[in-house]
Amino acid sequence: GENVEQHPSTLSVQEGDSAVIKCTYSDSASNYFPWYKQELGKGPQLIIDIRSNVGEKKDQRIAVTLNKTAKHFSLHITETQPEDSAVYFCAATRGISSGSARQLTFGSGTQLTVLP
Amino acid sequence: DAGVIQSPRHEVTEMGQEVTLRCKPISGHNSLFWYRQTMMRGLELLIYFNNNVPIDDSGMPEDRFSAKMPNASFSTLKIQPSEPRDSAVYFCASSIRQGGEAFFGQGTRLTVV
Repeated sequence: GENVEQHPSTLSVQEGDSAVIKCTYSDSASNYFPWYKQELGKGPQLIIDIRSNVGEKKDQRIAVTLNKTAKHFSLHITETQPEDSAVYFCAATRGISSGSARQLTFGSGTQLTVLP
Repeated sequence: DAGVIQSPRHEVTEMGQEVTLRCKPISGHNSLFWYRQTMMRGLELLIYFNNNVPIDDSGMPEDRFSAKMPNASFSTLKIQPSEPRDSAVYFCASSIRQGGEAFFGQGTRLTVV
């Protein structure tokens, strides 16, 4: 089955700086890679995702890059703000083209703290 | 839409008791997932359903755990008998089968004492 590793487990940055979180996956058939943000006491919320036919995707201050050859993908947050503080999870699945449900395998999470 | 609705939000029970967690997926979503989150093991998929049919329950830890989806708008996760090591946050998520992301509920924090 799929195995997703995520680093670092904790990350502290100054407000305004950039934050980068990295994940690697093991299943070369995986084709969909979402990132979730989880705030305290809440469920994970999708913030950005990328499919295997794309190398990079950007949405305002957040971007995700994918290197299929190396089987790794990264989340980039620029101009960080205190409200970006949360736990971020990467995930991977091969379900997108099979028509089946997306059985996501999650990374272990990164606690991001943005210091004012 | 109100999103994925889970109940209760918090549950404290004594070891040996039966616990039932409930989930109402987003209307129109065909797939439903149950996850368990702990500090030690992170987010683990327990079971998921497509069109109310269980597809993969390999993540269910023991026979004490069971899940049902009697219709498209309701699912339950039952633990009987409960044990202290079952203490965790249980999330339900739903998605459209052939597209779209998984939407998570707010979770149920279960404490077994």
